[in-house]
Amino acid sequence: DVKVTQSSRYLVKRTGEKVFLECVQDMDHENMFWYRQDPGLGLRLIYFSYDVKMKEKGDIPEGYSVSREKKERFSLILESASTNQTSMYLCASRDNDNQPQHFGDGTRLSIL
Amino acid sequence: GQNIDQPTEMTATEGAIVQINCTYQTSGFNGLFWYQQHAGEAPTFLSYNVLDGLEEKGRFSSFLSRSKGYSYLLLKELQMKDSASYLCAVKDDYKLSFGAGTTVTVRA
Repeated sequence: DVKVTQSSRYLVKRTGEKVFLECVQDMDHENMFWYRQDPGLGLRLIYFSYDVKMKEKGDIPEGYSVSREKKERFSLILESASTNQTSMYLCASRDNDNQPQHFGDGTRLSIL
Repeated sequence: GQNIDQPTEMTATEGAIVQINCTYQTSGFNGLFWYQQHAGEAPTFLSYNVLDGLEEKGRFSSFLSRSKGYSYLLLKELQMKDSASYLCAVKDDYKLSFGAGTTVTVRA
């Protein structure tokens, strides 16, 4: 079974802090994704990566950056956290194009 | 741009059948996925359609009509554990776009 592990289930940070969300997958998948999930809006893609050191902007990249130094790890960075970034963050990985994405359990992030 | 619509909520009785519709207007199409998400948990993959027609997998079936921009997920012999959110997602060239999800409540 594919395992996608997110470092924290719950996280509370303060406005202006730099926040790191970590995601690790154990299936040697090429593609990794970061989403946020908000009530009534569904999952929205922030960034994705199709290879080590490669990154592409998704639909809502503003205020975020990412890092993929190793194939198994994809980090989401909130450069200067703001209250509107309070959300559920979900990481996913996928093998080739027509395979389903496998999701981590999510990190519920609160910015105070 | 992507526009994916599905009903917000549905309620059904244990043992019954429920059909969740999804309509989409997207700039590209390379398949449609359905995911199940229980409260506080990760979405899990249910089905994938890329050609028109019905895909059956046990109690769950998914249908696709590309010309109509339409899919449905059919849940048969409903069980209490089927109470969850069901997400429709359309794949374009490289990424998935998700609908807001349909919350299904199964009553005894």
